[in-house]
Amino acid sequence: DTAVSQTPKYLVTQMGNDKSIKCEQNLGHDTMYWYKQDSKKFLKIMFSYNNKELIINETVPNRFSPKSPDKAHLNLHINSLELGDSAVYFCASSQTGPGTEYQETQYFGPGTRLLVL
Amino acid sequence: AQSVTQLDSQVPVFEEAPVELRCNYSSSVSVYLFWYVQYPNQGLQLLLKYLSGSTLVESINGFEAEFNKSQTSFHLRKPSVHISDTAEYFCAVSRTGFQKLVFGTGTRLLVSP
Repeated sequence: DTAVSQTPKYLVTQMGNDKSIKCEQNLGHDTMYWYKQDSKKFLKIMFSYNNKELIINETVPNRFSPKSPDKAHLNLHINSLELGDSAVYFCASSQTGPGTEYQETQYFGPGTRLLVL
Repeated sequence: AQSVTQLDSQVPVFEEAPVELRCNYSSSVSVYLFWYVQYPNQGLQLLLKYLSGSTLVESINGFEAEFNKSQTSFHLRKPSVHISDTAEYFCAVSRTGFQKLVFGTGTRLLVSP
């Protein structure tokens, strides 16, 4: 019954490796997001996809490449991992559209804790 | 651009005491306001939100927040806290019609017996 799920939950890897994090939502939402939470708990949006189309791309290194195969999935691939990439990555989803019936609410996944050694 | 300031990084309080977590925002356009809660090693959960209408919004577990446009604030309050309220609380803002959430730096609420 998990609304927004992420895999893996923990990821420990070496500098220079390439890794992927997967996200799936079963809420029927049309918009998905990736957020990064650093060691000081600061949360910042990285990307947003609406109906598989990229709509928000903050100033994120191009080593980070999101991919949305369909509305229910948004994966994050990271090339050449660096120490500074260590963080918790959260996926979220929401339903957009006119009127407050869509409630403007983003639902978050449990997070993926990435540690780069 | 929007920004959020949470002045208190940590708020210690005794169980059953009242608490207020402060949030101020900056925006030149109309916004939606949110409070999210993060329990240890978990994701974020929406606590409450202001979209329009009544400026006082409430959550199901006793928290409330009041949107004050003149003071650009959205402070979170609870009249009597429980140990289980210990968590990190994030205030967030989004520009109306846009889906990008801008978060504050969070306030850690520590409830002790």
